[in-house]
Amino acid sequence: QLVLQESGPGLVYPSETLSLTCSVSGVPVTAFSHYWGWIRQTPGKELEWIGSMIYSGTTYYNPSFRSRVTMSVDTSNNQFSLMLRSMTAADTGLYYCVKGVGAFDPWGQGTLVTVSS
Amino acid sequence: EIVLTQSPATLSLSPGERATLSCGASQSVINSYLAWYQQKPGLAPRLLIYDASSRATGIPDRFSGSGSGTDFTLTISRLEPEDFAVYYCQQYGSSPWTFGQGTKVEIK
Repeated sequence: QLVLQESGPGLVYPSETLSLTCSVSGVPVTAFSHYWGWIRQTPGKELEWIGSMIYSGTTYYNPSFRSRVTMSVDTSNNQFSLMLRSMTAADTGLYYCVKGVGAFDPWGQGTLVTVSS
Repeated sequence: EIVLTQSPATLSLSPGERATLSCGASQSVINSYLAWYQQKPGLAPRLLIYDASSRATGIPDRFSGSGSGTDFTLTISRLEPEDFAVYYCQQYGSSPWTFGQGTKVEIK
């Protein structure tokens, strides 16, 4: 069974960089045609796709985040990561890691990130 | 980007009733690449339907999806107590992938 688990800081200061990790169990992150991605849910419950990537390095980023986002895969720990730079209060929300590049399944349980000084 | 508009915002129904949720797209969704998710309080969304009408693994057959172009529908044939939740549609035909604002199905 594929299970995803996010980890990262709950609090980020404005202008700093958010770093989140998603631990994958049940399948290698290098699995053929498996895409991995990030979605966030705002306090108003809006869902926003941030981006998706595959082990080979192909990435798909939402243009709204492209200038400040980097996604990567860590094969040694069977994880993938999100870096989001220049955080502002508008980036506060629940961040989910997901499998997929179109329809997303499954989702991690989510990690709450608050941007505040 | 494609804007998805879900209606109604809230649907008040009783267990056993039929629920019909709509999702309208501002542009045609390529290849009917549209998904539906269910979210319960405190939990992550769960994929119900993909490609507009295909049920995800383990999803009961009381859930069905239909539609093409700009108009899509999620139907729950007979509501079970565990079906009262928020439902989101999402398109993945044109980047960036986008979500609707959700329809809450509540107990009447």
